[in-house]
Amino acid sequence: DAKTTQPPSMDCAEGRAANLPCNHSTISGNEYVYWYRQIHSQGPQYIIHGLKNNETNEMASLIITEDRKSSTLILPHATLRDTAVYYCIVRVTNTDKLIFGTGTRLQVFP
Amino acid sequence: DSGVTQTPKHLITATGQRVTLRCSPRSGDLSVYWYQQSLDQGLQFLIQYYNGEERAKGNILERFSAQQFPDLHSELNLSSLELGDSALYFCASSLGTQSSYEQYFGPGTRLTVT
Repeated sequence: DAKTTQPPSMDCAEGRAANLPCNHSTISGNEYVYWYRQIHSQGPQYIIHGLKNNETNEMASLIITEDRKSSTLILPHATLRDTAVYYCIVRVTNTDKLIFGTGTRLQVFP
Repeated sequence: DSGVTQTPKHLITATGQRVTLRCSPRSGDLSVYWYQQSLDQGLQFLIQYYNGEERAKGNILERFSAQQFPDLHSELNLSSLELGDSALYFCASSLGTQSSYEQYFGPGTRLTVT
């Protein structure tokens, strides 16, 4: 079972920041938070991951709360091409598989 | 482009048949994963190989099998196909087995069983 809770859908205006929340209240101390997205039926695309500290790359920023029970993925300037299903995944320790939940369907509108 | 390639892109076959899906991981990646995505089940982990050895199994049916070859490409074999096997099959690869290593997914193979 997925260890994360995400809103089923969100809207965002083009050019604005998209903030996607994720709750993972049962996360353990050495479990990573991963974010992927899937556009239509394409292969899931890796976005970012983190353990404790906030992370930033060319695609997005990941903000993890100090107690690690929740996180937020930030797309700083959303475009129409960012419309996708976004998955927040807690990578279970000692297992390599990714357990996908139902994700958040982000719709970016003009 | 993730660097992971999968063939074929589409496959249409009849019930009872057997098919083979192929995956080439990113250069340098030793670990290969197979996932199935159907409309009612979402993305499900099937099986993982690391450097030629099976490392983890998920909800993979006994009719399905996989292997990873010395050149690190992998094949997923699906036999005695049923209508319910129609799905997208994704392969992913990662550098190793640590949970800090991200997985990169291929474009998938869409299997339709008629």
